[in-house]
Amino acid sequence: GESVGLHLPTLSVQEGDNSIINCAYSNSASDYFIWYKQESGKGPQFIIDIRSNMDKRQGQRVTVLLNKTVKHLSLQIAATQPGDSAVYFCAENQGNTPLVFGKGTRLSVIA
Amino acid sequence: DTAVSQTPKYLVTQMGNDKSIKCEQNLGHDTMYWYKQDSKKFLKIMFSYNNKELIINETVPNRFSPKSPDKAHLNLHINSLELGDSAVYFCASSPQIRGLGNTIYFGEGSWLTVV
Repeated sequence: GESVGLHLPTLSVQEGDNSIINCAYSNSASDYFIWYKQESGKGPQFIIDIRSNMDKRQGQRVTVLLNKTVKHLSLQIAATQPGDSAVYFCAENQGNTPLVFGKGTRLSVIA
Repeated sequence: DTAVSQTPKYLVTQMGNDKSIKCEQNLGHDTMYWYKQDSKKFLKIMFSYNNKELIINETVPNRFSPKSPDKAHLNLHINSLELGDSAVYFCASSPQIRGLGNTIYFGEGSWLTVV
């Protein structure tokens, strides 16, 4: 899900398959990370978060993986459903700095 | 009940006009924010307030003036609107200004179109 050029990166997934959305962050001192989901016409919605002292955290159908060595964050969605179609953002911060958002990845679920 | 609510949801106005967007949160949070999302979906923070006090003011033109009458409200007033101001503006809130686990909750957005 790296952002290149002017277009939002898009991931197309068949319904029922697993989705993996990737995010590269820049600040090696970041200690808190969040994934947000933004559906069309709505505001970003919190999905799951992870602190830098962890490398994996699981929620309902979602798993976040953190690799601090290469500054990489991923969101895995199991058994992707049409309702998962949205733009997904990773966000990071360090201590008292404001949350910084990544450029977003559009997930398109093919029924 | 909507946790972070902002009005209006859609706003179409002419260049040069002055407009306001209102925001209220009923989460009891101390901190509120305004974010701007451009046509490429890039989300950028504009302002943050903590208990009615301005904390963050990113590089935003002086035509944008936030006002926080109390910690549950943060309104955004924009003077002399320009075409480049067209965007979606999101109000948000979080329990506090800093610290781990300080999740930000967003409103539904206000779509501003300047013609």
